[in-house]
Amino acid sequence: DSGVTQTPKHLITATGQRVTLRCSPRSGDLSVYWYQQSLDQGLQFLIHYYNGEERAKGNILERFSAQQFPDLHSELNLSSLELGDSALYFCASRPRSNTGELFFGEGSRLTVL
Amino acid sequence: TQLLEQSPQFLSIQEGENLTVYCNSSSVFSSLQWYRQEPGEGPVLLVTVVTGGEVKKLKRLTFQFGDARKDSSLHITAAQTGDTGLYLCAGPPGGSNYKLTFGKGTLLTVNP
Repeated sequence: DSGVTQTPKHLITATGQRVTLRCSPRSGDLSVYWYQQSLDQGLQFLIHYYNGEERAKGNILERFSAQQFPDLHSELNLSSLELGDSALYFCASRPRSNTGELFFGEGSRLTVL
Repeated sequence: TQLLEQSPQFLSIQEGENLTVYCNSSSVFSSLQWYRQEPGEGPVLLVTVVTGGEVKKLKRLTFQFGDARKDSSLHITAAQTGDTGLYLCAGPPGGSNYKLTFGKGTLLTVNP
């Protein structure tokens, strides 16, 4: 158990819909990272938040948005879903000691039909 | 273009065999990490290498960081079925600690 909690574990929805994925980082960690994992692209960095502020953006589509709340949990919002958005979405947190290590949650598997 | 290229993409071996997987880049990294991911789970850190030429051992796993800090390798001695998983290398592009970029991984299957 990494201490990072993600919900839901599985999600099936239709094209055009909107979903919200939720992440609670490890106790004491201020950083939250979001990644998308697909078979062809591998693990792709989406966005990083630190203590409520956006710190870095990766290959995140405009249809996707994220935020980190004062209690440090984070949400990734995916809208106007397309078939190609089907993937595993991982959240990770980073210790304040800044060792560089990321602790990953178990992921949310999104299927768009 | 993938910043970190991993090879081979797939590897299937028998228990007891040795193997090496590679992580290569045209860019210099301040550090590289190796993670292992098992089905249904998130990646878990195995090791971080920081110094060029560094060698780290974790039981039967040996990690090496290239002298120029552009590549790394993972060698497993006497593989066991429990070593099965996706091995990912990762590093901070441009030295940025704000994002970590991953290779696509090597999917290792160790058969009994």
